Amino acid sequence: GNSVTQMEGPVTLSEEAFLTINCTYTATGYPSLFWYVQYPGEGLQLLLKATKADDKGSNKGFEATYRKETTSFHLEKGSVQVSDSAVYFCALGPGAQKLVFGQGTRLTINP
Amino acid sequence: DAGVIQSPRHEVTEMGQEVTLRCKPISGHDYLFWYRQTMMRGLELLIYFNNNVPIDDSGMPEDRFSAKMPNASFSNLKIQPSEPRDSAVYFCASSLHRDGYTFGSGTRLTVV
Repeated sequence: GNSVTQMEGPVTLSEEAFLTINCTYTATGYPSLFWYVQYPGEGLQLLLKATKADDKGSNKGFEATYRKETTSFHLEKGSVQVSDSAVYFCALGPGAQKLVFGQGTRLTINP
Repeated sequence: DAGVIQSPRHEVTEMGQEVTLRCKPISGHDYLFWYRQTMMRGLELLIYFNNNVPIDDSGMPEDRFSAKMPNASFSNLKIQPSEPRDSAVYFCASSLHRDGYTFGSGTRLTVV
């Protein structure tokens, strides 16, 4: 079946540091891949998505590329801000139907 | 669009009481999902609907849990009787085609 593995957290960085959160997956077929972000006390919000191999999703300075050869969808940002502190979830699925979520990675950015 | 609307935002109830959580999905979305989030188990899918029909309820933990979607604009999740281990944040989400989910803000349930 489909599954997602995220790097374990928590991750703590200083402001303006480079961020990578690793995500690898196993899947049958051709799923879409997603990154969601959850700020304290809120629901998950879609951050970015990619629907096919080699697609790059991007939003708010975050990027992730759908790599079929390495079955990965790593999240990156060149310069993080304190406001990026949140929990990040990688997910895969056919999109509208049942998504499979990773366990989440808690990110803390210190000023 | 107002997004996915859940009510109440917080619910505190005594063990043994019935609890009802409500969700209004985004108009036009044809999938609706109920999730539970706890520190111990993370995000768990409880049940999902397509065009108001339950498709997969294998994540519903016990018969104490039930969910209905009587029409395209409303769903509820009931727990009867409630137990302290049901304390969690319950999220509703809706989606259309391949666009991914839109989540509500959640209901924080505390059973004492």
